[in-house]
Amino acid sequence: NAGVMQNPRHLVRRRGQEARLRCSPMKGHSHVYWYRQLPEEGLKFMVYLQKENIIDESGMPKERFSAEFPKEGPSILRIQQVVRGDSAAYFCATRSGREHQETQYFGPGTRLLVL
Amino acid sequence: SQQGEEDPQALSIQEGENATMNCSYKTSINNLQWYRQNSGRGLVHLILIRSNEREKHSGRLRVTLDTSKKSSSLLITASRAADTASYFCATDTTNSKLTFGKGITLSVRP
Repeated sequence: NAGVMQNPRHLVRRRGQEARLRCSPMKGHSHVYWYRQLPEEGLKFMVYLQKENIIDESGMPKERFSAEFPKEGPSILRIQQVVRGDSAAYFCATRSGREHQETQYFGPGTRLLVL
Repeated sequence: SQQGEEDPQALSIQEGENATMNCSYKTSINNLQWYRQNSGRGLVHLILIRSNEREKHSGRLRVTLDTSKKSSSLLITASRAADTASYFCATDTTNSKLTFGKGITLSVRP
């Protein structure tokens, strides 16, 4: 049973380009969370999705950032027109959604570097 | 400010000693979770304690929760060099989204 997968693991973009980060949940998991970690900081919640629905995007910047979790395929976090301040590690975490199974399992992260 | 704040920020101990890390938070929670992160890696879930629980054990880990003081502690007994990592507490309040502290850097000297 594969764990949470994220790709790419490392991504380098120039200012103004687009970044697409992918997250494949563990088998049987239908809840996806995206977090961002700046150097020497804890993780900050960005967005919570279930299949085809955004449940909570209160941590997502209002501009340039979007997320989706389609019926088929991975969840995608998209950052348009990247700026240097977007450089960070982006983690997704997934859980099953079954009762009393609150544990979130994290992927290895995508480290985005904006030049 | 952070929902979860760990202390100390850094801890250095000798192999075999116990390590105690504390976490305080501000609002009511559904549960509190502790994670470990090795340098440059993802997070590994260690233990979850629900708001109606006071203490939980898992191997060499012991976690306590005091909801009246809004605090938790993580104890690692008989530490090993491999325990060297950053440790984060995270609180689950709404929709299971987690709010993390800044973490504690634990160094275990062989």
